[in-house]
Amino acid sequence: NAGVMQNPRHLVRRRGQEARLRCSPMKGHSHVYWYRQLPEEGLKFMVYLQKENIIDESGMPKERFSAEFPKEGPSILRIQQVVRGDSAAYFCASSPGYDEKLFFGSGTQLSVL
Amino acid sequence: SQQGEEDPQALSIQEGENATMNCSYKTSINNLQWYRQNSGRGLVHLILIRSNEREKHSGRLRVTLDTSKKSSSLLITASRAADTASYFCATATMDSSYKLIFGSGTRLLVRP
Repeated sequence: NAGVMQNPRHLVRRRGQEARLRCSPMKGHSHVYWYRQLPEEGLKFMVYLQKENIIDESGMPKERFSAEFPKEGPSILRIQQVVRGDSAAYFCASSPGYDEKLFFGSGTQLSVL
Repeated sequence: SQQGEEDPQALSIQEGENATMNCSYKTSINNLQWYRQNSGRGLVHLILIRSNEREKHSGRLRVTLDTSKKSSSLLITASRAADTASYFCATATMDSSYKLIFGSGTRLLVRP
């Protein structure tokens, strides 16, 4: 059973471009979370999704950021018109249900030039 | 502001010694979890302790929870160089128990 798969591992974008980060949860997991981490800091909650539904996006900026978890395929975190301040590590996690431990992917390091 | 805060921010010990990390939180929780992160990698789950539990063990790890003081501690006994990592506590609050809020972590260095 493969773990949580995130790609790409590293993503370089110029200011104003779009960034798409993909996450395939563990098999059988229908709950997906996205977190953001700056160097030497903890993880900041961004969004929680279940299949085809956004449950809680309270940690995600209203502008430029969006997330989806379609019925088929991976979850996508999309950042439009990236700025230097978006540079960070973005981690995806999945769980089999509510109120359970999370399984994390290896993250996507986004660098905005 | 953060729900959970770890203390100390950094800890350096000799191999074989015990390492204790503390976590304090602000609001009532459903559960508290500890995770480990090696540099540049994803987080790995260590232990989950629920609000009605006081202590849990897993191998060389011991976690305690004191809900009256809103605090938890993680003890790693007989530390090894391979335990060098950052350790984070994460809380699931009563009103949003699906959402884990992470503290800023304790960076542990175990010297060989």
